[in-house]
Amino acid sequence: DIQMTQSPSSLSASVGDRVTITCRASQSISNYLNWYQQKPGKAPKLLIYAASSLQSGVPSRFSGSGSGTDFTLTISSLQPEDFASYYCQQSYSTPWTFGQGTKVEIK
Amino acid sequence: EVQLLESGGGLVQPGGSLRLSCAASGFTFNSYAMSWVRQAPGKGLEWVSAIVGSGGRTYYADSVKGRFTISRDNSKNTLYLQMNSLRAEDTALYYCAKHDGVSGRSGYPAEYFQHWGQGTLVTVFS
Repeated sequence: DIQMTQSPSSLSASVGDRVTITCRASQSISNYLNWYQQKPGKAPKLLIYAASSLQSGVPSRFSGSGSGTDFTLTISSLQPEDFASYYCQQSYSTPWTFGQGTKVEIK
Repeated sequence: EVQLLESGGGLVQPGGSLRLSCAASGFTFNSYAMSWVRQAPGKGLEWVSAIVGSGGRTYYADSVKGRFTISRDNSKNTLYLQMNSLRAEDTALYYCAKHDGVSGRSGYPAEYFQHWGQGTLVTVFS
């Protein structure tokens, strides 16, 4: 199985900060990497698919990059509504696997 | 508008069974693969199982293989998850999710979950 490791597990940041979350796969997954945002009590929301494609309706302050084993989700200027948990997920091979999540909290 | 509505969750004792349902609308159901994804209380997301649009191929996480069975009734636009031999560690909110995809660099679609249901809670207690 492909293991997905996110870092950090949590971070504290202020509104306006640039935030970067990384996700590393245990083997190459090409560009088969997705990012989701989840707020408490809500279903996950797709942000980025195929490593770098922004889902329609998602603000342009979110961006994704990477290929192979190393990927990054960047929030260019953190907004109050961005405080949430973020998960990466590989769809290169089954079993599909998620990272353990990164909780973004208010500093 | 795509809608996914799960049902069937509840309280069950270890070793018991439950069947979850996911009623789909707003898209051509038989054209899309579907998955179940779960989230234990306070924990992260775990993919559980997937089924292709025709129902002809299924996939499972190792943690549920041999105990859970995914199926679909395309005439009823409904996805199912039959869960047998339930364990305490199966306690979670279970989401159904619709697969979408784009061309991937390795010659097959790069799939993702754009649409999710609201989830149904399964609690296994002794």
